[in-house]
Amino acid sequence: GAGVSQSPSNKVTEKGKDVELRCDPISGHTALYWYRQSLGQGLEFLIYFQGNSAPDKSGLPSDRFSAERTGGSVSTLTIQRTQQEDSAVYLCASSSSGTGGFGANVLTFGAGSRLTVL
Amino acid sequence: AQSVTQPDIHITVSEGASLELRCNYSYGATPYLFWYVQSPGQGLQLLLKYFSGDTLVQGIKGFEAEFKRSQSSFNLRKPSVHWSDAAEYFCAVVAYNQGGKLIFGQGTELSVKP
Repeated sequence: GAGVSQSPSNKVTEKGKDVELRCDPISGHTALYWYRQSLGQGLEFLIYFQGNSAPDKSGLPSDRFSAERTGGSVSTLTIQRTQQEDSAVYLCASSSSGTGGFGANVLTFGAGSRLTVL
Repeated sequence: AQSVTQPDIHITVSEGASLELRCNYSYGATPYLFWYVQSPGQGLQLLLKYFSGDTLVQGIKGFEAEFKRSQSSFNLRKPSVHWSDAAEYFCAVVAYNQGGKLIFGQGTELSVKP
């Protein structure tokens, strides 16, 4: 597609429920990132997929968070047993390469999925 | 591990005044550095990037940034700020010793007063 698409744009859920957030990156982009932006906070790295390599999950805050990327394209971020502190905007971004070179690592961001946990 | 520090959480400048937003990084080799902007209700947009070569890089919307290795800095500047520049600005570095992921600073919120 022309840009990075995220859905849903807004999600309100009750504490303890599971949620899935979807990211459809730009076609052909090999690198995909998930970040979390809480109110008044910066961009917190969550997870990074690069091609067929094992994902870098070092930013996932707890084992309630997981993500997968199917067929090197669409990614789903899953949060199990949501807590109120999970409320944030979850941003997905993709880029054409994660290993250097001109144009590499220039991320195109989606509009984000705003999660509110009541 | 590489990191990025933006010392100023919030800055207010008058319209027409000059602007400098600070960014410091920690990385042993020549870093790949970026500035992104997030306008209210908008997604993040790339302003400019530095990979190598000329240490003064020009970006969109009249912004520029200067890479200073001796100071481990990559400060963003604009000679004359417009009201539409009010936004949050993020500095970022590629963490090549961490698999090539992009690490962001905490951001600096810019307010512009008339």
